[in-house]
Amino acid sequence: EIVMTQSPAILSVSPGERATLSCRASQGVSSNLAWYQQKPGQAPRLLIYGASTRATGIPARFSGSGSGTEFTLTISSLQSEDFAVYYCQQYNGWPTFGQGTKVDNK
Amino acid sequence: EVQLVESGGGLVQPGGSLTLSCVASGFTVGNNYMSWVRQAPGKGLEWVSVIHSGGNTYYADSVKGRFTISRDNPKNTLYLHMNSLRAEDTALYYCARDGPIVGATLFDYWGHGTLVTVSS
Repeated sequence: EIVMTQSPAILSVSPGERATLSCRASQGVSSNLAWYQQKPGQAPRLLIYGASTRATGIPARFSGSGSGTEFTLTISSLQSEDFAVYYCQQYNGWPTFGQGTKVDNK
Repeated sequence: EVQLVESGGGLVQPGGSLTLSCVASGFTVGNNYMSWVRQAPGKGLEWVSVIHSGGNTYYADSVKGRFTISRDNPKNTLYLHMNSLRAEDTALYYCARDGPIVGATLFDYWGHGTLVTVSS
Protein backbone atom coordinates (compact mmCIF):
# COMPACT_ATOMS: atom_id res chain seq x y z
CA GLU A 1 0.00 0.00 0.00
CA ILE A 2 1.23 3.47 -0.88
CA VAL A 3 1.10 5.68 2.23
CA MET A 4 0.33 9.36 1.73
CA THR A 5 1.54 11.81 4.39
CA GLN A 6 0.26 15.39 4.48
CA SER A 7 1.75 18.35 6.31
CA PRO A 8 1.01 20.34 8.27
CA ALA A 9 -2.02 18.85 10.01
CA ILE A 10 -3.40 22.34 10.62
CA LEU A 11 -2.52 25.48 8.68
CA SER A 12 -3.67 28.83 10.05
CA VAL A 13 -3.95 31.46 7.34
CA SER A 14 -5.55 34.89 7.06
CA PRO A 15 -7.81 35.74 4.10
CA GLY A 16 -5.76 37.07 1.21
CA GLU A 17 -2.64 35.17 2.23
CA ARG A 18 -1.00 32.31 0.36
CA ALA A 19 -1.49 28.78 1.66
CA THR A 20 0.94 25.98 0.82
CA LEU A 21 0.03 22.38 1.61
CA SER A 22 2.35 19.41 1.22
CA CYS A 23 1.80 15.75 0.41
CA ARG A 24 4.43 13.01 0.33
CA ALA A 25 4.06 9.50 -1.09
CA SER A 26 5.88 6.50 0.40
CA GLN A 27 6.88 5.48 -3.12
CA GLY A 28 6.81 7.21 -6.49
CA VAL A 29 3.36 7.78 -7.98
CA SER A 30 4.47 9.71 -11.09
CA SER A 31 1.89 12.49 -11.59
CA ASN A 32 -1.04 10.31 -10.51
CA LEU A 33 -2.02 12.61 -7.67
CA ALA A 34 -5.30 14.38 -6.91
CA TRP A 35 -6.36 16.98 -4.35
CA TYR A 36 -9.80 17.30 -2.80
CA GLN A 37 -11.47 19.93 -0.65
CA GLN A 38 -13.98 18.94 2.03
CA LYS A 39 -16.12 21.36 4.00
CA PRO A 40 -18.02 20.33 7.16
CA GLY A 41 -21.09 18.26 6.35
CA GLN A 42 -20.22 18.04 2.66
CA ALA A 43 -18.75 15.46 0.34
CA PRO A 44 -15.21 15.98 -0.95
CA ARG A 45 -14.80 18.02 -4.13
CA LEU A 46 -12.13 17.27 -6.71
CA LEU A 47 -9.78 20.24 -7.14
CA ILE A 48 -6.68 19.00 -8.95
CA TYR A 49 -5.74 15.82 -10.82
CA GLY A 50 -2.64 14.78 -12.70
CA ALA A 51 -0.79 16.69 -9.95
CA SER A 52 -1.40 20.04 -11.65
CA THR A 53 -4.60 20.03 -13.76
CA ARG A 54 -7.51 21.93 -12.27
CA ALA A 55 -10.83 20.11 -12.36
CA THR A 56 -13.83 21.69 -14.07
CA GLY A 57 -14.96 24.90 -12.41
CA ILE A 58 -12.04 25.18 -9.99
CA PRO A 59 -10.74 28.76 -9.59
CA ALA A 60 -7.28 29.63 -10.86
CA ARG A 61 -6.10 30.51 -7.33
CA PHE A 62 -5.76 26.75 -6.75
CA SER A 63 -2.62 25.23 -8.25
CA GLY A 64 -0.82 21.95 -7.86
CA SER A 65 2.74 20.89 -8.50
CA GLY A 66 5.14 18.03 -8.01
CA SER A 67 5.79 14.52 -9.27
CA GLY A 68 7.20 11.28 -7.93
CA THR A 69 6.91 11.51 -4.15
CA GLU A 70 6.60 15.22 -3.33
CA PHE A 71 3.53 17.31 -4.13
CA THR A 72 2.21 20.75 -3.25
CA LEU A 73 -1.19 22.42 -3.34
CA THR A 74 -1.05 26.21 -3.33
CA ILE A 75 -3.93 28.58 -2.77
CA SER A 76 -2.55 31.89 -4.01
CA SER A 77 -4.88 34.26 -2.15
CA LEU A 78 -7.09 32.53 0.36
CA GLN A 79 -10.79 33.37 0.24
CA SER A 80 -13.22 32.85 3.13
CA GLU A 81 -14.84 29.94 1.29
CA ASP A 82 -11.49 28.11 1.15
CA PHE A 83 -11.39 27.28 4.85
CA ALA A 84 -11.77 23.50 4.75
CA VAL A 85 -9.90 20.21 4.99
CA TYR A 86 -7.76 19.25 2.00
CA TYR A 87 -6.85 15.67 1.09
CA CYS A 88 -4.34 14.34 -1.39
CA GLN A 89 -4.94 10.98 -3.08
CA GLN A 90 -2.69 8.86 -5.24
CA TYR A 91 -4.13 6.72 -8.00
CA ASN A 92 -0.94 5.16 -9.30
CA GLY A 93 -1.93 1.98 -7.45
CA TRP A 94 -5.08 1.20 -5.53
CA PRO A 95 -6.18 4.60 -4.29
CA THR A 96 -4.99 5.88 -0.92
CA PHE A 97 -5.56 9.23 0.73
CA GLY A 98 -3.52 11.43 3.02
CA GLN A 99 -4.84 12.17 6.49
CA GLY A 100 -5.79 15.71 5.54
CA THR A 101 -4.69 19.29 6.22
CA LYS A 102 -7.17 21.59 7.88
CA VAL A 103 -6.91 25.19 6.71
CA ASP A 104 -8.38 27.49 9.32
CA ASN A 105 -8.65 31.20 9.92
CA LYS A 106 -5.68 32.68 11.77
CA GLU B 1 -26.62 17.33 -14.19
CA VAL B 2 -24.78 14.48 -12.51
CA GLN B 3 -26.30 13.37 -9.20
CA LEU B 4 -25.60 10.47 -6.87
CA VAL B 5 -28.01 9.67 -4.03
CA GLU B 6 -27.11 7.03 -1.46
CA SER B 7 -29.46 5.23 0.90
CA GLY B 8 -29.59 2.14 3.07
CA GLY B 9 -27.41 3.15 5.99
CA GLY B 10 -28.42 2.58 9.58
CA LEU B 11 -27.59 0.91 12.87
CA VAL B 12 -26.57 -2.75 12.67
CA GLN B 13 -25.15 -5.16 15.22
CA PRO B 14 -21.63 -6.57 14.87
CA GLY B 15 -21.72 -9.57 12.54
CA GLY B 16 -24.79 -8.23 10.78
CA SER B 17 -25.44 -7.30 7.16
CA LEU B 18 -26.54 -4.22 5.29
CA THR B 19 -26.94 -3.21 1.65
CA LEU B 20 -26.29 0.33 0.47
CA SER B 21 -27.76 1.74 -2.73
CA CYS B 22 -26.69 4.66 -4.90
CA VAL B 23 -29.05 5.94 -7.57
CA ALA B 24 -27.31 7.88 -10.32
CA SER B 25 -28.72 10.45 -12.72
CA GLY B 26 -27.17 12.49 -15.50
CA PHE B 27 -24.92 9.66 -16.69
CA THR B 28 -24.93 5.88 -17.16
CA VAL B 29 -23.53 3.82 -14.28
CA GLY B 30 -22.76 0.86 -16.53
CA ASN B 31 -20.51 2.95 -18.78
CA ASN B 32 -18.34 4.21 -15.93
CA TYR B 33 -16.05 3.00 -13.18
CA MET B 34 -17.93 3.47 -9.89
CA SER B 35 -16.53 3.36 -6.36
CA TRP B 36 -17.49 3.39 -2.71
CA VAL B 37 -15.38 5.53 -0.39
CA ARG B 38 -15.92 5.72 3.37
CA GLN B 39 -15.09 8.16 6.13
CA ALA B 40 -15.12 7.15 9.78
CA PRO B 41 -16.46 9.84 12.13
CA GLY B 42 -13.90 12.65 12.41
CA LYS B 43 -11.41 10.73 10.28
CA GLY B 44 -10.03 10.74 6.76
CA LEU B 45 -11.13 9.05 3.54
CA GLU B 46 -10.71 5.37 2.72
CA TRP B 47 -11.42 3.81 -0.67
CA VAL B 48 -13.52 0.65 -0.27
CA SER B 49 -14.32 -0.85 -3.66
CA VAL B 50 -14.63 -0.21 -7.40
CA ILE B 51 -16.61 -1.81 -10.21
CA HIS B 52 -15.27 -1.27 -13.68
CA SER B 53 -17.44 -0.67 -16.72
CA GLY B 54 -16.55 -4.18 -17.91
CA GLY B 55 -17.80 -5.63 -14.62
CA ASN B 56 -14.53 -6.41 -12.87
CA THR B 57 -14.61 -5.66 -9.15
CA TYR B 58 -11.86 -4.83 -6.68
CA TYR B 59 -11.77 -4.29 -2.93
CA ALA B 60 -9.64 -2.79 -0.19
CA ASP B 61 -7.98 -5.47 1.93
CA SER B 62 -9.98 -4.27 4.94
CA VAL B 63 -13.28 -5.39 3.37
CA LYS B 64 -12.24 -8.16 0.99
CA GLY B 65 -14.35 -11.27 1.44
CA ARG B 66 -17.01 -9.38 3.41
CA PHE B 67 -18.27 -6.68 1.02
CA THR B 68 -19.59 -7.06 -2.54
CA ILE B 69 -20.04 -4.25 -5.04
CA SER B 70 -22.61 -4.62 -7.81
CA ARG B 71 -24.81 -2.59 -10.11
CA ASP B 72 -28.21 -2.76 -11.79
CA ASN B 73 -27.86 -1.14 -15.18
CA PRO B 74 -31.60 -0.71 -15.98
CA LYS B 75 -32.05 0.97 -12.60
CA ASN B 76 -28.81 2.97 -13.03
CA THR B 77 -27.97 2.01 -9.46
CA LEU B 78 -24.82 0.97 -7.63
CA TYR B 79 -24.89 -1.28 -4.56
CA LEU B 80 -22.61 -2.27 -1.71
CA HIS B 81 -23.55 -5.49 0.06
CA MET B 82 -21.87 -5.62 3.46
CA ASN B 83 -21.62 -8.79 5.56
CA SER B 84 -19.89 -9.70 8.82
CA LEU B 85 -19.88 -6.05 9.83
CA ARG B 86 -17.43 -4.86 12.48
CA ALA B 87 -17.28 -1.79 14.69
CA GLU B 88 -14.46 -0.47 12.53
CA ASP B 89 -16.80 -0.41 9.52
CA THR B 90 -18.72 2.45 11.16
CA ALA B 91 -18.48 5.32 8.69
CA LEU B 92 -20.21 7.61 6.25
CA TYR B 93 -20.24 5.72 2.96
CA TYR B 94 -19.97 7.75 -0.21
CA CYS B 95 -20.80 6.60 -3.70
CA ALA B 96 -18.46 8.20 -6.26
CA ARG B 97 -18.01 8.22 -9.99
CA ASP B 98 -14.46 7.56 -11.12
CA GLY B 99 -13.24 10.36 -13.33
CA PRO B 100 -12.26 12.51 -15.13
CA ILE B 101 -9.45 10.19 -16.30
CA VAL B 102 -10.87 7.03 -17.85
CA GLY B 103 -9.47 3.95 -16.18
CA ALA B 104 -8.04 5.77 -13.17
CA THR B 105 -9.54 5.55 -9.70
CA LEU B 106 -10.02 9.14 -8.69
CA PHE B 107 -13.40 10.69 -8.09
CA ASP B 108 -15.07 13.57 -9.88
CA TYR B 109 -18.60 13.25 -8.54
CA TRP B 110 -19.69 12.22 -5.05
CA GLY B 111 -23.00 11.57 -3.35
CA HIS B 112 -23.89 13.06 0.02
CA GLY B 113 -23.17 9.80 1.85
CA THR B 114 -25.13 7.35 3.98
CA LEU B 115 -24.14 6.60 7.58
CA VAL B 116 -23.48 3.05 8.74
CA THR B 117 -23.14 2.47 12.47
CA VAL B 118 -22.04 -0.95 13.73
CA SER B 119 -22.78 -1.29 17.42
CA SER B 120 -24.50 -3.56 19.88
